[in-house]
Order: sequence, then C-alpha cells, then structure tokens
Amino acid sequence: KAGVTQTPRYLIKTRGQQVTLSCSPISGHRSVSWYQQTPGQGLQFLFEYFSETQRNKGNFPGRFSGRQFSNSRSEMNVSTLELGDSALYLCASSYGPSSTDTQYFGSGTRLTVL
Amino acid sequence: AQKVTQAQTEISVVEKEDVTLDCVYETRDTTYYLFWYKQPPSGELVFLIRRNSFDEQNEISGRYSWNFQKSTSSFNFTITASQVVDSAVYFCALSGGNQFYFGTGTSLTVIP
Repeated sequence: KAGVTQTPRYLIKTRGQQVTLSCSPISGHRSVSWYQQTPGQGLQFLFEYFSETQRNKGNFPGRFSGRQFSNSRSEMNVSTLELGDSALYLCASSYGPSSTDTQYFGSGTRLTVL
Repeated sequence: AQKVTQAQTEISVVEKEDVTLDCVYETRDTTYYLFWYKQPPSGELVFLIRRNSFDEQNEISGRYSWNFQKSTSSFNFTITASQVVDSAVYFCALSGGNQFYFGTGTSLTVIP
C-alpha cells in the first residue's frame, strides 16, 4: 500500500511569489492535514481537510490556504511568499479525523524562499 | 488548553545503552490519544505508537517500550539496547478537541 506522497520534494522561490504544494494521501484515507516545521517554531498545524471540507485551521495568516479534491488529494497554496515561510511542509493523512485516528506522514516539501 | 512538553531537547547515549524519552501532556478532555513519532534525517515522520486515554497498559514492541501514567500525565518512551539507527528526533503528540498537538521533540544521538 503506497504511503503519503508529497510533491515536489524541494522548492526554491523568491519573495512575493506564490507556491502550490501537493499531497496524495494513503488510499482510502479521507482526512489530510498540513503542518509547517521550522527549527524555531517546531511543528505547527496549518489546517485539516476531511471529505473536501476544511475541518480546522491553525493560527496562520490568510496567505496560507488549501483545498481537498473529491479523490482526497490535497493542495496547499502560499501567496506573497516571505522569507519566514522557508520551512519543511508536511502532509499527513488519516482514515477519519485526525482527532481520533492515527496520522501517517509524507516526506515533506522543503520550501526555501530567497 | 492542550499542551505537550518534551523537556529533553537533546540526548546522547553510547550504543547498547538504554534511554528514556520523557513526555508530559496537559488536556481537559476525558477522551484523548497520545502518540510517538520518529523523524529521521530524511524528514518523514514515522508513526511508532498510539494509546487512548482509557488504556494505561504499558506496551513493549521489540526494543521499544512505553509507560503511560494518567496520574502524572506522562507518556514516556524507552529504547533498550540503543542502536545507531535509533538516532533521530522523537516527537510526542496529543490529539484532542479538533487538533493534533506536537511536543518540541527530543533529538537522540546514539554514538557507536
């Protein structure tokens, strides 16, 4: 059974640009969550989608957005990139909501903003 | 408020030593889940274990064991006879309400 797949693995962008990250969950999983990981702030929750609906959102500015498609694949978009957005972005999937089910993580997308 | 505290930032042990990683949590929920994940240098978070708040039985899986004590709000993780491949960052996490809360992680280095 394939795991969580995130693409691309690495991205380099410049300030002001926008970026879209993709996540394909484990087959059959309906929940996808996104996290930002930085050395200073650790792992921070961005948002969770369950059956195409945003279920919960962390404390991030509106520049961070996401969506989930009918096949449970999810995308995350960051507009007007800032230097501080440089981070490892991790996607996790679970069969049910993350509050009750085990999340399985992808390898992440490492975003560098110059 | 929900919170997970991993007071040990970095630990170094010599191969074959036992090591315990501490995790203390705070929650007002009566039903919650606790997790441990391992993050090797490759970056992927690898699921290790999940416990629910009603199951305080300790668990052993090979060289890994977990001690869950509700009375002290702790969920500690012990690696017996550590190996170099155990070197990684270990995260304790709590799920409750509508979110997943991670601790700040403990970086474990096993020296050959």
